[in-house]
Amino acid sequence: GAGVSQSPSNKVTEKGKDVELRCDPISGHTALYWYRQSLGQGLEFLIYFQGNSAPDKSGLPSDRFSAERTGGSVSTLTIQRTQQEDSAVYLCASSSPGTGPSDTQYFGPGTRLTVL
Amino acid sequence: RKEVEQDPGPFNVPEGATVAFNCTYSNSASQSFFWYRQDCRKEPKLLMSVYSSGNEDGRFTAQLNRASQYISLLIRDSKLSDSATYLCVVGRSGGSYIPTFGRGTSLIVHP
Repeated sequence: GAGVSQSPSNKVTEKGKDVELRCDPISGHTALYWYRQSLGQGLEFLIYFQGNSAPDKSGLPSDRFSAERTGGSVSTLTIQRTQQEDSAVYLCASSSPGTGPSDTQYFGPGTRLTVL
Repeated sequence: RKEVEQDPGPFNVPEGATVAFNCTYSNSASQSFFWYRQDCRKEPKLLMSVYSSGNEDGRFTAQLNRASQYISLLIRDSKLSDSATYLCVVGRSGGSYIPTFGRGTSLIVHP
């Protein structure tokens, strides 16, 4: 079956512009995560959606970052007024409904964002 | 102390060697443990979950030591294709489930 997909695969933007990154999770997966990974660094948690619960936004680095998940499926991460330090690979992952801690995360291929 | 710590390496080993990585975690309430593999410029993929009794999958063996709060990954008979970054992931239940990723250990297997 189809895995997690993300678009665009690459995005180059100018400082100060807004960008939208999209994630299509695996069908039926109720949990969805956004991470970002800078060159040579680990994964930094951004936001977590689980079913109809309020998202956990504790990882968002500033109020320029926001995300929504429509209909419990597709998610969009929006970065407003991009800065050069926002340059990173943005990864989306989803997991199947279950007990939570034991769920395997399936990652999309990521969106490589470059802010000039 | 970081929540999940790994030696970044790189571990540079010849084909056929046995290599082991450790990962320490700080939260004693952690309940789930995983090893993920990440190839260069690719997304992480689950390698194996880590169970309390330890588990093996072919050439890969994972162990959990709750008393000392670390997990390990042993790779026997290393292959060139094992070259990658190995990410330790630790999770806990209760409220919002957010796993914590280590920064990864780089493995380079050479001929």
